[in-house]
Amino acid sequence: GAVVSQHPSWVICKSGTSVKIECRSLDFQATTMFWYRQFPKQSLMLMATSNEGSKATYEQGVEKDKFLINHASLTLSTLTVTSAHPEDSSFYICSARLGGEIAETQYFGPGTRLLVL
Amino acid sequence: AQSVTQPDIHITVSEGASLELRCNYSYGATPYLFWYVQSPGQGLQLLLKYFSGDTLVQGIKGFEAEFKRSQSSFNLRKPSVHWSDAAEYFCAVRYSSASKIIFGSGTRLSIRP
Repeated sequence: GAVVSQHPSWVICKSGTSVKIECRSLDFQATTMFWYRQFPKQSLMLMATSNEGSKATYEQGVEKDKFLINHASLTLSTLTVTSAHPEDSSFYICSARLGGEIAETQYFGPGTRLLVL
Repeated sequence: AQSVTQPDIHITVSEGASLELRCNYSYGATPYLFWYVQSPGQGLQLLLKYFSGDTLVQGIKGFEAEFKRSQSSFNLRKPSVHWSDAAEYFCAVRYSSASKIIFGSGTRLSIRP
């Protein structure tokens, strides 16, 4: 149980285009999902917290107009990288929260590798 | 600031040898502790977690971890490693007062044949 999928697993795009990444919780409902960015050989950096039916909460320094997050249902959150540039190339990982506030655990998707040319 | 420290960037052990990966967290409210493993190019898989109760927790793939409040540590252990254990390991903590998980910088584990 507690499987999270991401699509696509990798994407190459031209500079200036927008890219949408989907994160789905396959066997549970998640009111809260998280989006992380990971640079090579580094830890995960939390970008934003995605809440179903409400606006996402962005971490300091993350451009909300650049990284659009939509959490339209209890099983799907999307991250759109708008007007992508080479510096946006990275590994993007989502997670979905399962469990109540005390016992919650985050389950992670397999990640999406984005390369902007 | 609340933080998680994994002092070992890279560890190499021989196949069949025992393993211990260190993790220390900064003092705060009640910690909820996690160990995740990441294979190259993959997402993170939960190995085990500690919320309360027995301080020695068992996880998947033969891993265990022990919570020591006096040392603010949550070290990961395995009695005998396999070549397939080669990966990046992340310790993480969430405090009861917040829902964000704070990750350590990771420890890369290599296995010597």
